[in-house]
Amino acid sequence: DVQLLQSGAEVKKPGESLKISCKTSGYNFPDLWIAWVRQVPGKGLEWMAMIYPGDSDTRYSPSLQGHITVSVDKSTSTAYLEWKSLKASDTAMYYCTRGTGYYFDDWGQGTLVSVSS
Amino acid sequence: SSELTQDPAVSVALGQTVRITCQGDSLRTYPANWSQQKPGQPPVLVIYYNDKRPSGTPYRFSGSTSGNTASLTITGAQAEDEADYYCDSRDSSGHLWLFGGGTRLTVL
Repeated sequence: DVQLLQSGAEVKKPGESLKISCKTSGYNFPDLWIAWVRQVPGKGLEWMAMIYPGDSDTRYSPSLQGHITVSVDKSTSTAYLEWKSLKASDTAMYYCTRGTGYYFDDWGQGTLVSVSS
Repeated sequence: SSELTQDPAVSVALGQTVRITCQGDSLRTYPANWSQQKPGQPPVLVIYYNDKRPSGTPYRFSGSTSGNTASLTITGAQAEDEADYYCDSRDSSGHLWLFGGGTRLTVL
C-alpha cells in the first residue's frame, strides 16, 4: 500500500526555522512528484511547491518562492518542506501529496504548524 | 490565467443531482481533477484527468469538461457526500499548479 507519513505537529515562534517531513513507502519514490499543499484553518487548499525526486526538478508558487525550500532524500524516500524564518501567517495545516504530473492521488495525514509569539 | 474559480457553496436535496463547476483558462489545455475533503481529514481524489474515477470512487460521481469549464456531477447525492470539493490543474504555463477556492456541498 502507498503511504505518505508526515511528521508531527509543531509550535514555533516567529523568526524560528522549521523542517517538516513526508516519509513515503509502497512505490518507487523517484518516479512521481511530491507536492506540498497548505491549508489555513477554515480556508481552502493552496499549492506551494513540488519536486520530482528523480532529477530534483523543483517548482515553487511565485508567492512563496524564497520563503520555503523543498527537498528530498532518495535514500529514505522522504520529502521535506523547510522555512528559515517563520511568520505568524505560516500557521496552517501542511499536506504532502504524490502526483503523476497531471493529478495528485495520495495524501499524507497533514502536519499542523502553529507560529505565535 | 492564474486561477481556478469555483462557487463557494452549493446545496442539493438528498437523492437529487448536483453539478459543481470550476472555471479557468488553463482548463482549455490541461485536465482537471477533483478532490473531496471532509472536516479534519486530508483531501481524497474522486475524479482525475477530467472524467476518470479512481478505484473506490462511487459511480454516482462523474466528471466532464467543456472549453474553460470542468464539472463534477453527483447523481443521486447521499448524506455522506456533504463535504468541500476542490478542483485542481496545472496553470496556463504548465509549470505550476492551481487549486480552485473550493465548493462546500450541503446535502439537505
